[in-house]
Amino acid sequence: DAGVTQSPTHLIKTRGQQVTLRCSPKSGHDTVSWYQQALGQGPQFIFQYYEEEERQRGNFPDRFSGHQFPNYSSELNVNALLLGDSALYLCASSRLPWLEETQYFGPGTRLLVL
Amino acid sequence: AQTVTQSQPEMSVQEAETVTLSCTYDTSESDYYLFWYKQPPSRQMILVIRQEAYKQQNATENRFSVNFQKAAKSFSLKISDSQLGDAAMYFCAYLMNRDDKIIFGKGTRLHILP
Repeated sequence: DAGVTQSPTHLIKTRGQQVTLRCSPKSGHDTVSWYQQALGQGPQFIFQYYEEEERQRGNFPDRFSGHQFPNYSSELNVNALLLGDSALYLCASSRLPWLEETQYFGPGTRLLVL
Repeated sequence: AQTVTQSQPEMSVQEAETVTLSCTYDTSESDYYLFWYKQPPSRQMILVIRQEAYKQQNATENRFSVNFQKAAKSFSLKISDSQLGDAAMYFCAYLMNRDDKIIFGKGTRLHILP
């Protein structure tokens, strides 16, 4: 049973560019959440997708957008990259109502913006 | 707004000894969940233990146990018989019932001394 997978593992971009990160949820899960973890900090919630719609959003600008596909996989897009967007981006999957199930995290994508 | 505070940025413990990691949180809610996540150098966030606020009994998972003091808003993690594989960042986290976003503390880096 595959867990949460993310791609790519590492990514280097320059300021102003756009990036797309991908996440495949754990088998049987239908909900995907994205978190940003800056160096030395705890993860911060970006948004959550369920039934291909954004359910809830954290305190992130509109440059951060997402999408969920019918197979429950998800993408995180970041436009007009800033140096401060350099971070580990974590995807977590669960099943709504998710309290019946834990949020399982993927290994993350390390993004470096130069 | 809910906050989670971990006051110990780093801790060290001798192998086979017991260590306690501290966490306090702030919320006006009465129905919520608390977690301890472990993040080893591989970056994958792994759930260690979970506590429902409505439960009086402290959660236990093998060598890991919590001391949940709801009135004091304290949620500490005790690791017994520490092993080298326990070395990691440990994050305390909070989730309000019917919410989607987990709120994390800044983490405690745990070193295990052989």
